[in-house]
Amino acid sequence: DAKTTQPPSMDCAEGRAANLPCNHSTISGNEYVYWYRQIHSQGPQYIIHGLKNNETNEMASLIITEDRKSSTLILPHATLRDTAVYYCIVGGGSEKLVFGKGMKLTVNP
Amino acid sequence: DTAVSQTPKYLVTQMGNDKSIKCEQNLGHDTMYWYKQDSKKFLKIMFSYNNKELIINETVPNRFSPKSPDKAHLNLHINSLELGDSAVYFCASSQNEGLTDTQYFGPGTRLTVL
Repeated sequence: DAKTTQPPSMDCAEGRAANLPCNHSTISGNEYVYWYRQIHSQGPQYIIHGLKNNETNEMASLIITEDRKSSTLILPHATLRDTAVYYCIVGGGSEKLVFGKGMKLTVNP
Repeated sequence: DTAVSQTPKYLVTQMGNDKSIKCEQNLGHDTMYWYKQDSKKFLKIMFSYNNKELIINETVPNRFSPKSPDKAHLNLHINSLELGDSAVYFCASSQNEGLTDTQYFGPGTRLTVL
């Protein structure tokens, strides 16, 4: 079962930052926060992950609250190609990926 | 070059038939997976293999039999296909087992059972 909750959907204007929230209030100390996304008719794609520090890569930034009970994925300049279902996943190193319902992000022109 | 490839992309077949889906990865990874995404879009793991050995079998009916001839391939054979098997099947690979290694997914195989 998914250990995270996300809003079912969100809209964002093209060129603006998209801030995707995720709650994971039962996260334990050794569990990471992972983000994947699935663009329509494609396989899921890894975006970023973190433990407690904020992380940034070429795709996005991940901001994890100090108590680690929630996080935000930031796409700094959303494009139409970022329209997808985004999955926030929590787990430890040896666990399997458990996808929840995810959140549908629609980037509008 | 495609990192994780699957064939066929679409598969339409009758109930009761036996079919196979092939997966190949050219990333040199040790672990491969099969996932099923049903009509409600839930994506669930079915199997994982590490170095050709079965690691995870998520209570999948034994009509589904994964076969790993080598580390780069994990094929999925399905016997006696049922209507409920209609779904999109994704293959994935990662260097090692578990969440800490990024999983790379294939493009999916859409299976329709009539």
